[in-house]
Amino acid sequence: DAGVTQSPTHLIKTRGQHVTLRCSPISGHKSVSWYQQVLGQGPQFIFQYYEKEERGRGNFPDRFSARQFPNYSSELNVNALLLGDSALYLCASSRGPGGESEAFFGQGTRLTVV
Amino acid sequence: AQTVTQSQPEMSVQEAETVTLSCTYDTSESDYYLFWYKQPPSRQMILVIRQEAYKQQNATENRFSVNFQKAAKSFSLKISDSQLGDAAMYFCAYKAGAQKLVFGQGTRLTINP
Repeated sequence: DAGVTQSPTHLIKTRGQHVTLRCSPISGHKSVSWYQQVLGQGPQFIFQYYEKEERGRGNFPDRFSARQFPNYSSELNVNALLLGDSALYLCASSRGPGGESEAFFGQGTRLTVV
Repeated sequence: AQTVTQSQPEMSVQEAETVTLSCTYDTSESDYYLFWYKQPPSRQMILVIRQEAYKQQNATENRFSVNFQKAAKSFSLKISDSQLGDAAMYFCAYKAGAQKLVFGQGTRLTINP
């Protein structure tokens, strides 16, 4: 079975631009979460979606938004990019939102803002 | 707010020896889960071991085991018979119910041949 798939794997954007990151969960998983990992730090929670509804949001500005589609795939959008948005963006999928459901991570999207 | 602290930014161990990575956390919840994740240079976060807070027995997965001290809010990871493939960043993480995963700052583990 395919694992969690994220695209693209790398991209470079200019300050002020917009970016869309994509995540396909493992088949049968209905929960998707997004994390930002700045170099040298642990991942920070951005969003959680379950059954296409937002279930949680981290302490990120409104420039960050996300959605989950009927097939449970998800997009993370970031507007008006800042240099500080440069990071590894991780997507995790699980059967449900609770801790009893193991979270499986994708390989991430490395975003560089110049 | 829940916090997770890993006080060892870097650790190193000789191949075949045992190493223990430390983690403490802060929470007012009584029911939660604790995790150790491994992140190799490939970047993909891989679950190493999981502990349910209501279970007194420490979790074990082959060469990996934990020492869970609920009252002290401590959750250390012991890696026995260290192998070169164990070299990676290790993150301790906490999750209560349907809330977010909260990660520590990570410990970089180096295995010396």
